[in-house]
Amino acid sequence: AQSVTQLDSHVSVSEGTPVLLRCNYSSSYSPSLFWYVQHPNKGLQLLLKYTSAATLVKGINGFEAEFKKSETSFHLTKPSAHMSDAAEYFCVVKILTGGGNKLTFGTGTQLKVEL
Amino acid sequence: KAGVTQTPRYLIKTRGQQVTLSCSPISGHRSVSWYQQTPGQGLQFLFEYFSETQRNKGNFPGRFSGRQFSNSRSEMNVSTLELGDSALYLCASSLVAETEAFFGQGTRLTVV
Repeated sequence: AQSVTQLDSHVSVSEGTPVLLRCNYSSSYSPSLFWYVQHPNKGLQLLLKYTSAATLVKGINGFEAEFKKSETSFHLTKPSAHMSDAAEYFCVVKILTGGGNKLTFGTGTQLKVEL
Repeated sequence: KAGVTQTPRYLIKTRGQQVTLSCSPISGHRSVSWYQQTPGQGLQFLFEYFSETQRNKGNFPGRFSGRQFSNSRSEMNVSTLELGDSALYLCASSLVAETEAFFGQGTRLTVV
């Protein structure tokens, strides 16, 4: 079965410092992985996606993630945090099944950015 | 291009009632999925539709149902509402199964 595990439920950083949100995946074959962000009382916004084309994936708002097969990880990073980055982040794996698909979400990481 | 539109944004219902939520996907997208988000259970998959056919279903009771119309718009229905059905219901659309999913703002359902 395919799944993702987000290793931190809460991460707190200072504005201007790097962000690291950790995600490990479990999959019997090459997975499709995503990071989504959810601001309070909003829907989910796609940050970036990995679909085996390149291991380092660049997303929106300066975020990027690196797919590491040997470590089964897909950590999300950003060089310099901004106050507007404060939100909940979800690591997601897409499962192709029944001719269609479904997304399996991690439990989320709440990112707090302090002045 | 308009995004995924969910209506209504907020709903308050009484236990035992039924509710219908609506989702209009991005133009041209044929795959529509529904998810339930609660503080206790996180984000859980409800069902997925493609060309008016349900292709996948999550582990929810039969009180949860859905359908998709020929224009790809989708509705989900919850009958005999329970307090535990209070949640944010999110709809996502994608061009086809293999492409990324885009989410709507969600419908916040409160059951009292």
